[in-house]
Amino acid sequence: AQSVTQLDSQVPVFEEAPVELRCNYSSSVSVYLFWYVQYPNQGLQLLLKYLSGSTLVESINGFEAEFNKSQTSFHLRKPSVHISDTAEYFCAVSDYGGNQFYFGTGTSLTVIP
Amino acid sequence: DAMVIQNPRYQVTQFGKPVTLSCSQTLNHNVMYWYQQKSSQAPKLLFHYYDKDFNNEADTPDNFQSRRPNTSFCFLDIRSPGLGDAAMYLCATSREGLEAFFGQGTRLTVV
Repeated sequence: AQSVTQLDSQVPVFEEAPVELRCNYSSSVSVYLFWYVQYPNQGLQLLLKYLSGSTLVESINGFEAEFNKSQTSFHLRKPSVHISDTAEYFCAVSDYGGNQFYFGTGTSLTVIP
Repeated sequence: DAMVIQNPRYQVTQFGKPVTLSCSQTLNHNVMYWYQQKSSQAPKLLFHYYDKDFNNEADTPDNFQSRRPNTSFCFLDIRSPGLGDAAMYLCATSREGLEAFFGQGTRLTVV
């Protein structure tokens, strides 16, 4: 079975500073990896995904994540955060050919003006 | 151009009174999911449909049931809501387990 660990439950960071949200997974099979963002009282929105190919994936709003198979990690980074990035971020994994998504416990990112 | 639509967005129900939450999709995805999310917690999978095949999570209470009459619609029935069932309920879809698309959620309050 798959599992996802997000070590940081809360991350405060000043506006325009860089940020990294950590995600580690465990799985005995090949996986797909995702980052979702959730704003208050909203559903989850896909931020970026790794399915195959280049291990560095980027979103349209400046976030990027790198799949590291040897370290079983998929950390999310942004070089300069904005107030609007304040939200809950969830890392998720699903396995090839499977139909279930396993979510981490989430990281609450707060951007301080 | 909403793709996964949940109704209603907010639902208030009385303790013990059956309630149904609905979800529809325009993506024609074969997999549909229901998640329960409590405050400051990760979404917890209740069950999912792969086409018409129903897959219940082992720890989902019997109080929760689901129906999928066709590809586009899926319902969550809570037979006797308790105070502990107050939560955000999220519907999601995917095609063969690839990227999941979520609706906006229904926030359920039990009074």
